[in-house]
Amino acid sequence: DVKVTQSSRYLVKRTGEKVFLECVQDMDHENMFWYRQDPGLGLRLIYFSYDVKMKEKGDIPEGYSVSREKKERFSLILESASTNQTSMYLCASTPYRSNQPQHFGDGTRLSIL
Amino acid sequence: DAKTTQPPSMDCAEGRAANLPCNHSTISGNEYVYWYRQIHSQGPQYIIHGLKNNETNEMASLIITEDRKSSTLILPHATLRDTAVYYCIVRDGNSGGSNYKLTFGKGTLLTVNP
Repeated sequence: DVKVTQSSRYLVKRTGEKVFLECVQDMDHENMFWYRQDPGLGLRLIYFSYDVKMKEKGDIPEGYSVSREKKERFSLILESASTNQTSMYLCASTPYRSNQPQHFGDGTRLSIL
Repeated sequence: DAKTTQPPSMDCAEGRAANLPCNHSTISGNEYVYWYRQIHSQGPQYIIHGLKNNETNEMASLIITEDRKSSTLILPHATLRDTAVYYCIVRDGNSGGSNYKLTFGKGTLLTVNP
């Protein structure tokens, strides 16, 4: 079974802090994604990576950056956390063949105070 | 990607089959049908996907009509733990880059009752 592991289920941080969310997958998938999910807004793509050190902006990249130094690990960074970044963050991965499904982690519920 | 239409909610008795419909009348030839579910406060869980043939795995069966304009997800023996929001998604199997992204609609809240 595919396993996508997010480092924290719940996280509370303060405004202005630098926040790191980590995601690891164990299936050697090329593609990894970071989404956020908010009530009424559905799933929105923040960043996407198709290979080590490669990244593409999604629909809402402002205020975020990402890092992919190893194939299995994809990190989301909130450079200076703000209250409007309070959300559920979801990491997903999929192999290079694009018709294969994305597999998600359990999510990180992040609160910025 | 084609739009999908699902009923907002459904009920099912524990132990009975749950049949969740999805309309995707504008589906094109390269687009696959994917089903996910999400239990409250958890990440979406992949269930099954298909192009035009019916599919079955250990979780569910997917029935796609011959014209591919609609599909049905079948949970053969629903349990209380199957209570979740179920999402039907249609997307192009040949897309790449950030077109890989998934877009969830409102889905169907399935409530399995004892």
